[in-house]
Amino acid sequence: DAKTTQPPSMDCAEGRAANLPCNHSTISGNEYVYWYRQIHSQGPQYIIHGLKNNETNEMASLIITEDRKSSTLILPHATLRDTAVYYCIVRAHPVGQGAQKLVFGQGTRLTINP
Amino acid sequence: DSGVTQTPKHLITATGQRVTLRCSPRSGDLSVYWYQQSLDQGLQFLIQYYNGEERAKGNILERFSAQQFPDLHSELNLSSLELGDSALYFCASSVAAQGAGEETQYFGPGTRLLVL
Repeated sequence: DAKTTQPPSMDCAEGRAANLPCNHSTISGNEYVYWYRQIHSQGPQYIIHGLKNNETNEMASLIITEDRKSSTLILPHATLRDTAVYYCIVRAHPVGQGAQKLVFGQGTRLTINP
Repeated sequence: DSGVTQTPKHLITATGQRVTLRCSPRSGDLSVYWYQQSLDQGLQFLIQYYNGEERAKGNILERFSAQQFPDLHSELNLSSLELGDSALYFCASSVAAQGAGEETQYFGPGTRLLVL
């Protein structure tokens, strides 16, 4: 699986949009970009994933550049409860073999300030 | 709530002992994954089971073993415990159906193990 690079920490004001970048310059054509977050030692929580198109769900939006070498997770209106470590993970989906392991890096520690 | 359950939430034991951690996957999920999170190592994949069979292994110690039962719940057995085994242990599950493409893993709340 391709490696990812994320800033170790970021701050954002409550109510503002939090934009978390991720670099995955060696991503392959069949690899998806996944985002998870972990709130203070709780189990990692799935946020969103995408292949090449931008994706949006009730939690966040995922913007993937056209060359797919980087992406940005957007939390549109950050709240204090969004304070967490955010992990960007790139993973392939070999069909018929079951899902593959997730390789977690150090992630970005996002702090939402009141 | 991810739908994945883990018991116990907390476990305190002594060096040399053996413990069993239990995981119940989401309804319908066939794959179970175990991860370890320690302070200095981050989240590390240990092992995966798919429909009762071992599918993939990560950096799992020989003192550790796992199995998945016919009802699809899984157990992680840790033996001859050492101080360094103190960590959070997470279970995740996914559908992993034959022919599936995109598959998301959903994590349980974890078991916090403290070895004294």
